[in-house]
Amino acid sequence: RKEVEQDPGPFNVPEGATVAFNCTYSNSASQSFFWYRQDCRKEPKLLMSVYSSGNEDGRFTAQLNRASQYISLLIRDSKLSDSATYLCVVFYNNNDMRFGAGTRLTVKP
Amino acid sequence: NAGVTQTPKFQVLKTGQSMTLQCAQDMNHNSMYWYRQDPGMGLRLIYYSASEGTTDKGEVPNGYNVSRLNKREFSLRLESAAPSQTSVYFCASDPSGGGRQDEKLFFGSGTQLSVL
Repeated sequence: RKEVEQDPGPFNVPEGATVAFNCTYSNSASQSFFWYRQDCRKEPKLLMSVYSSGNEDGRFTAQLNRASQYISLLIRDSKLSDSATYLCVVFYNNNDMRFGAGTRLTVKP
Repeated sequence: NAGVTQTPKFQVLKTGQSMTLQCAQDMNHNSMYWYRQDPGMGLRLIYYSASEGTTDKGEVPNGYNVSRLNKREFSLRLESAAPSQTSVYFCASDPSGGGRQDEKLFFGSGTQLSVL
């Protein structure tokens, strides 16, 4: 079983749609959680950290459920520019960051 | 501000050849990393360096060596390349390596390596 699992997609949605991604992690000792965005053939970049109380950044909302060991990302009012692969990242300790394989999103006009 | 600079961008090797991937950061970060990314696998940590003068194995270290030359530079060496090492390689850095929620990884632009 992978340590961080994501639905690979692809998710194909129309502009303006709301889309949600989930991610599960296996190590209950995980300390920090993140969503990174990766455009095709580019390096990953931080989208947002995921706080225990949940957090929002514009059209993006991240939630953490420690009891069930999953993280979610909600994107409202999807834009064409949101098309990318979204990586779930879990930090254990001692520089050990584990990445999910990513969920690919395509937003269509 | 260059951030993380990684070279080369592309490389083709024959089985058994050696090469070194170079990485440098100008943000005075303590921690540096080498990842590989394969389809369907996500990024996997090869080696990391928590501070100048220290290196440690990550998830997939076999077939690789690293050198933390100074605080800025962290190189990855393939001594005898194998087709299984065909991948995209990313160097990254962060201020402390502690996984703090208010810190992030800064990545280089990647190296596409093919081993024939």
